[in-house]
Amino acid sequence: SQQGEEDPQALSIQEGENATMNCSYKTSINNLQWYRQNSGRGLVHLILIRSNEREKHSGRLRVTLDTSKKSSSLLITASRAADTASYFCATDFTGANSKLTFGKGITLSVRP
Amino acid sequence: SQTIHQWPATLVQPVGSPLSLECTVEGTSNPNLYWYRQAAGRGLQLLFYSVGIGQISSEVPQNLSASRPQDRQFILSSKKLLLSDSGFYLCAWKSAGVNYGYTFGSGTRLTVV
Repeated sequence: SQQGEEDPQALSIQEGENATMNCSYKTSINNLQWYRQNSGRGLVHLILIRSNEREKHSGRLRVTLDTSKKSSSLLITASRAADTASYFCATDFTGANSKLTFGKGITLSVRP
Repeated sequence: SQTIHQWPATLVQPVGSPLSLECTVEGTSNPNLYWYRQAAGRGLQLLFYSVGIGQISSEVPQNLSASRPQDRQFILSSKKLLLSDSGFYLCAWKSAGVNYGYTFGSGTRLTVV
């Protein structure tokens, strides 16, 4: 079953603008991860935030985690046309065996 | 460095035919291995995962099976494909333990006709 729910489902912005994508989940987690998928390709790991972290940065990416609200956001600053892709959040549960559960994804289109 | 290989990239198979997709990982030992399926326009569904040789956990009951004959080899199989098995199949690995990102293969697009 789907654990993460991303919001919005689709986002279209102009190059140079910031893109904010949100994710909510239901159960306790070890960490939350964001992935990117270009059309018809495999997924690329972008960033991982642990359950005891609140914010993390990687280049133009900023991810926040609010475990009390069971939500996360991914901010891409100064977007580029090359950022056009689908973005997925995925949660890794607490427990012995790690297994990522993905949301349905957000389609981001960045207009040049 | 670690790499993951998945093949073939595309596959068209008739209904009722068998399936074998292979995934191998290089540059690491005792990885956790995963098979995911992505239906068109949908998120990823975990099918199987393995924490060691011969250890397979199934997440979704279906006509697919998985095997891990070697430490860095993960195989997805079916004896008789159904139309509903069409999709994009992705293999992934991660280091054992918590708080590691997953590395995905490039995927196999399976079309059952």
